[in-house]
Amino acid sequence: EAGVTQFPSHSVIEKGQTVTLRCDPISGHDNLYWYRRVMGKEIKFLLHFVKESKQDESGMPNNRFLAERTGGTYSTLKVQPAELEDSGVYFCASSQGTENSPLHFGNGTRLTVT
Amino acid sequence: AQSVAQPEDQVNVAEGNPLTVKCTYSVSGNPYLFWYVQYPNRGLQFLLKYITGDNLVKGSYGFEAEFNKSQTSFHLKKPSALVSDSALYFCAVRDMNTGGFKTIFGAGTRLFVKA
Repeated sequence: EAGVTQFPSHSVIEKGQTVTLRCDPISGHDNLYWYRRVMGKEIKFLLHFVKESKQDESGMPNNRFLAERTGGTYSTLKVQPAELEDSGVYFCASSQGTENSPLHFGNGTRLTVT
Repeated sequence: AQSVAQPEDQVNVAEGNPLTVKCTYSVSGNPYLFWYVQYPNRGLQFLLKYITGDNLVKGSYGFEAEFNKSQTSFHLKKPSALVSDSALYFCAVRDMNTGGFKTIFGAGTRLFVKA
């Protein structure tokens, strides 16, 4: 099966610009998650979709971050306007619908805000 | 609040020797625990999980982990390390208070296996 794919793999933008990250989960996985790892620290949860609905968005840093999952398939994470502290690696993961299902991760998008 | 601690930033071991990567957790209720591995420029890959049952769980690539409820630990182990095991390892716990799907990760431990 095709894995979780993320695009782009790298993005370098200037402070104040907008960036949109995309994630295509494994087909059939209703659960989709966004995570972020900043400067070698822990991987922090951002939000969780079940199909097209936001199940938990408690980890979203602020209203400059907007995540969508139209039609319950792929998801986008938009940062507008970007700030320096938004730099990091953004991971998307998907899982099947049981509570003990492991996460399947994409390779991540490395975002650098200058 | 649920949390995971990986006390070592890096673990160094010689090839052929046993390895241990430590993890402790703090949860309310029964823990669902996971280990993931990340190779350079790749996403995290699932290694193994503990849900219930036998305290020693076996996973991919010869890794195993021991669940210890009294010490709230879930250390990752392998009897004989390979150079190819060198990678970044993450311990994780599933937060069952949010519908059971939010996973909380530790900061990661870099394993370096020397030939």
